[in-house]
Amino acid sequence: AQTVTQSQPEMSVQEAETVTLSCTYDTSESNYYLFWYKQPPSRQMILVIRQEAYKQQNATENRFSVNFQKAAKSFSLKISDSQLGDTAMYFCAFILDSGTYKYIFGTGTRLKVLA
Amino acid sequence: DTEVTQTPKHLVMGMTNKKSLKCEQHMGHRAMYWYKQKAKKPPELMFVYSYEKLSINESVPSRFSPECPNSSLLNLHLHALQPEDSALYLCASSPKPGQGANYGYTFGSGTRLTVV
Repeated sequence: AQTVTQSQPEMSVQEAETVTLSCTYDTSESNYYLFWYKQPPSRQMILVIRQEAYKQQNATENRFSVNFQKAAKSFSLKISDSQLGDTAMYFCAFILDSGTYKYIFGTGTRLKVLA
Repeated sequence: DTEVTQTPKHLVMGMTNKKSLKCEQHMGHRAMYWYKQKAKKPPELMFVYSYEKLSINESVPSRFSPECPNSSLLNLHLHALQPEDSALYLCASSPKPGQGANYGYTFGSGTRLTVV
């Protein structure tokens, strides 16, 4: 069975600074995808970034980047130049590349960006 | 249009009421999903529709009844709910069934349901 662990329930960061959110996962499969979703107070789950397990290169989307360590089963999210609008709950998610529909979500990290 | 639209945004219903939640997308996505999210928890999958047919029911009680009238619309009919069913109900879609892995899902903003 696959599991996803987010060990930081809450974090805070000063505006314009950099913060890293941790995520570890466990699986015996080799083909899968990893995602970070953001859920602000508006409640909508928004896809922040995704990573294919077969790609060694870390994914980057503007101020968001990941550090994907496949052997260590680690998938951390780095937010650079933090903005007030980054305040949200962040969920790490895992899905097998086997046509399954079901995400395995972590328990989430609540990030607060301070002015 | 790159949105999933859910209505209503808030709903309060009694345990004997019948109500429906609505979800609409016009992105041509052929897989649609209902998730339930309790406070401070991750979303939990309830139902999956693939090409307008129910393909997965995650052992959801029969007081929740999904319906997919066409490729753009997904409903969740509610009847005889319990207070513990109070939660945020999220709808999502993905381009093709099984390709949620490739693209990620597009989620709506949810319906906040309170059962009294």
